[in-house]
Amino acid sequence: EIVLTQSPGTLSLSPGERATLSCRASQSVSSSYLAWYQQKPGQAPRLLIYGASSRATGIPDRFSGSGSGTDFTLTISRLEPEDFAVYYCQQYGSSPAFGQGTKVEIK
Amino acid sequence: EVQLVESGGGLVQPGRSLRLSCAASGFTFDDYAMHWVRQAPGKGLEWVSGISWNSGSIGYADSVKGRFTISRDNAKNSLYLQMNSLRAEDTALYYCAKDMSNGDYSQSPLDYWGQGTLVTVSS
Repeated sequence: EIVLTQSPGTLSLSPGERATLSCRASQSVSSSYLAWYQQKPGQAPRLLIYGASSRATGIPDRFSGSGSGTDFTLTISRLEPEDFAVYYCQQYGSSPAFGQGTKVEIK
Repeated sequence: EVQLVESGGGLVQPGRSLRLSCAASGFTFDDYAMHWVRQAPGKGLEWVSGISWNSGSIGYADSVKGRFTISRDNAKNSLYLQMNSLRAEDTALYYCAKDMSNGDYSQSPLDYWGQGTLVTVSS
């Protein structure tokens, strides 16, 4: 079973700043089966990134993903007010699992 | 437009059973794997179970293995989760989610989600 650890737990930033979120896996994630989701209060999660670096349909290009093996990163180049939310990484290989989440809050 | 509508949640006593349903529309249901994901109040996401397009491949989280059963009826465009021997720690919002591609349940991310149905296990 692959365990995903996200850091930091909370990121306090201002609109316009760059956000860098980390997701580390306990073992290599096969074929970069790594996705990122955004969840706002009272809403279902939304798929942002899949295959470690491919943006899902309709996702703005300020969101980008990178990494392979056990270390993955979600970068938001310039935070917009609507980007303040909780972000989860997920590996969707054998026995899919989510990380515990990173909250991006307004500083 | 893809729509996933969950139902069947509610208050149930520990040890009892509950069956969740998910009605799907707006896409060719029998082409895609489907999943259940839950979220305890104030907590993160937990993958619960997945099922391939033809029910030929099924998986469960260790926390529910042997107690929960996922199934689907492609003729009715519906996904189900039979939950037995419920525990307090099963209390959560249960989401139905669509797999992004038409294969096994463990090959793709989840591209559409319902709004969830709340299950509360308490005496």
